Amino acid sequence: KAGVTQTPRYLIKTRGQQVTLSCSPISGHRSVSWYQQTPGQGLQFLFEYFSETQRNKGNFPGRFSGRQFSNSRSEMNVSTLELGDSALYLCASSLPTSGQETQYFGPGTRLLVL
Amino acid sequence: DQQVKQNSPSLSVQEGRISILNCDYTNSMFDYFLWYKKYPAEGPTFLISISSIKDKNEDGRFTVFLNKSAKHLSLHIVPSQPGDSAVYFCAAPRSGNTPLVFGKGTRLSVIA
Repeated sequence: KAGVTQTPRYLIKTRGQQVTLSCSPISGHRSVSWYQQTPGQGLQFLFEYFSETQRNKGNFPGRFSGRQFSNSRSEMNVSTLELGDSALYLCASSLPTSGQETQYFGPGTRLLVL
Repeated sequence: DQQVKQNSPSLSVQEGRISILNCDYTNSMFDYFLWYKKYPAEGPTFLISISSIKDKNEDGRFTVFLNKSAKHLSLHIVPSQPGDSAVYFCAAPRSGNTPLVFGKGTRLSVIA
């Protein structure tokens, strides 16, 4: 079974631009979560989508948004990029069942904002 | 409020010896814990998990111990191998399955 895939793997943007990142979950997984990893803050939760609906949201400004499609693929968008948005953006998928479910991560998209 | 804490930012161990990585948590509602391993510029790889109804879970060279009364868990790697050198994250889902709350990670270096 193929793992979580993320595109693109690397991205360079300038301040003020916007960016869209894509995530394809493991086949059969319906929940997709996004995380931001920076050296100072570690891994921080952005949001989670399940059945095309945002189910959980982390403490990030409204410039960060996402969506999920009917095939469970997800995109996240960051508008008006700031230097501090430079980070590794990770997508994770899980089934999920009502029980304790493991999240599996993709390789991430490394975003550099200049 | 850091609900999952990994107080040792780094650990160095000789090849063949035991590596013990520690994690403390503050939220008594956490009932499921996961350990992930991460190489630079890659996503975290799931290693092993443990439910709060257990106090030990073993998978090959990896064993996780949970002490609920102390709100402490540890990951044991025996024997340690150079390929185990990576950053290890302890995580717990805040409610249900998401979102995961991560510790800051411990960088393990296994020296040949």
